[in-house]
Amino acid sequence: EDQVTQSPEALRLQEGESSSLNCSYTVSGLRGLFWYRQDPGKGPEFLFTLYSAGEEKEKERLKATLTKKESFLHITAPKPEDSATYLCAVHPSNSGYALNFGKGTSLLVTP
Amino acid sequence: DAGITQSPRYKITETGRQVTLMCHQTWSHSYMFWYRQDLGHGLRLIYYSAAADITDKGEVPDGYVVSRSKTENFPLTLESATRSQTSVYFCASSERENYNEQFFGPGTRLTVL
Repeated sequence: EDQVTQSPEALRLQEGESSSLNCSYTVSGLRGLFWYRQDPGKGPEFLFTLYSAGEEKEKERLKATLTKKESFLHITAPKPEDSATYLCAVHPSNSGYALNFGKGTSLLVTP
Repeated sequence: DAGITQSPRYKITETGRQVTLMCHQTWSHSYMFWYRQDLGHGLRLIYYSAAADITDKGEVPDGYVVSRSKTENFPLTLESATRSQTSVYFCASSERENYNEQFFGPGTRLTVL
């Protein structure tokens, strides 16, 4: 069965304290892995797509990486405005257009 | 306004009633999706549509009906609402060439009493 597990469930960082969020997955075949950001009371906002092991994408203080079993979202020198829930999703080869979403990591960055 | 909108934003209904959640996008995106988000679960796909008059089931379609007569609209109907359908519902859309980069609406919080 295809599974996506995100850890930790919640993370509290001081402003400027770098860290990483993890997304581990088990799928029969991977078409792509996606990271979204979700602010309270809003819909998810697309961040990155990764297609193959070794691929990396960057956007401001965020950097996403992909291996054959997991993806990391590295946050460098976070600011309070980076506080949000970060969702990971995978697109299995046998799922048509359906994405499997993880439950998310809730990030709080304090000043 | 350009973008993707959902209505209503909040809805309270009773068990057994029919409810329709509306979704409208102005980008002329080919793909549209309906998800539900519950505590303890990730986003789960209910239905999706690749184009007008083309719809297909997602992971949790039971109790829901969709239609897509126009590219820009993708309503979701709960034929006979149940308490287990209390959730936050998100509509999303994407371009045909890049269907995994989905743009989400603000969500509808539905409570079934």
